[in-house]
Amino acid sequence: EAQLLESGGGLVQPGGSLRLSCAVSGFTFSSYAMSWVRQAPGKGLEWVSVISGSGGNTYYADSVKGRFSISRDNAKNTLDLQMNSLRAEDTAVYYCAKDHWGFRLLSDFDIWGQGTMVTVSS
Amino acid sequence: QSALTQPASVSGSPGQSITISCTGTSSDVGGYNYVSWYQQHPGKAPKLMIYDVTDRPSGVSNRFSGSKSGNTASLTISGLQAEDEADYYCGSYTSSATLVFGGGTKLTVL
Repeated sequence: EAQLLESGGGLVQPGGSLRLSCAVSGFTFSSYAMSWVRQAPGKGLEWVSVISGSGGNTYYADSVKGRFSISRDNAKNTLDLQMNSLRAEDTAVYYCAKDHWGFRLLSDFDIWGQGTMVTVSS
Repeated sequence: QSALTQPASVSGSPGQSITISCTGTSSDVGGYNYVSWYQQHPGKAPKLMIYDVTDRPSGVSNRFSGSKSGNTASLTISGLQAEDEADYYCGSYTSSATLVFGGGTKLTVL
């Protein structure tokens, strides 16, 4: 059974940094693109970033471009999100999500983690 | 990239059918058959209910169906059940190689 387990969330001051991780099991990790999706308290879903299966292609939402960096280690089956220059509006539950299809990017997400909370506050 | 437009709330009685709309542009919903729908219960992760506009993942009830016309996609739930009460989000691939979600619709089963 495919499983995603996020970690690394917590409280950070504005302007600070945080690194999230997502441990993957149950499928051939390197064959699928992976994304981060966030949800601010009481708000809707917002796609944040995607990385291709090989790690060679990455894309970001305008709201995080230049501040966040997505990466993966296919040998360790892990996905990371490095978040710098954090703002109050980055406060959210961050989910890692698996692309449904290995041959397409960002069509839909069939497996989601349980999420990790990031709070940006002084 | 602006969020896709969904009604904030819809409601229906058990056994009835409801439809949730999701309106975008020719750069997202209208330009690609990569529209998906997610169900989210409070405190839980989203669950994929519909992909590629009309297709259901294995294990999802056939009471859930999807369609698209122009820049508007729709999710229909027939034979409403109490457990269908949740938030529903549409998502679409965009011409910028990003993904955009709708603002979400709260479904209340009366």
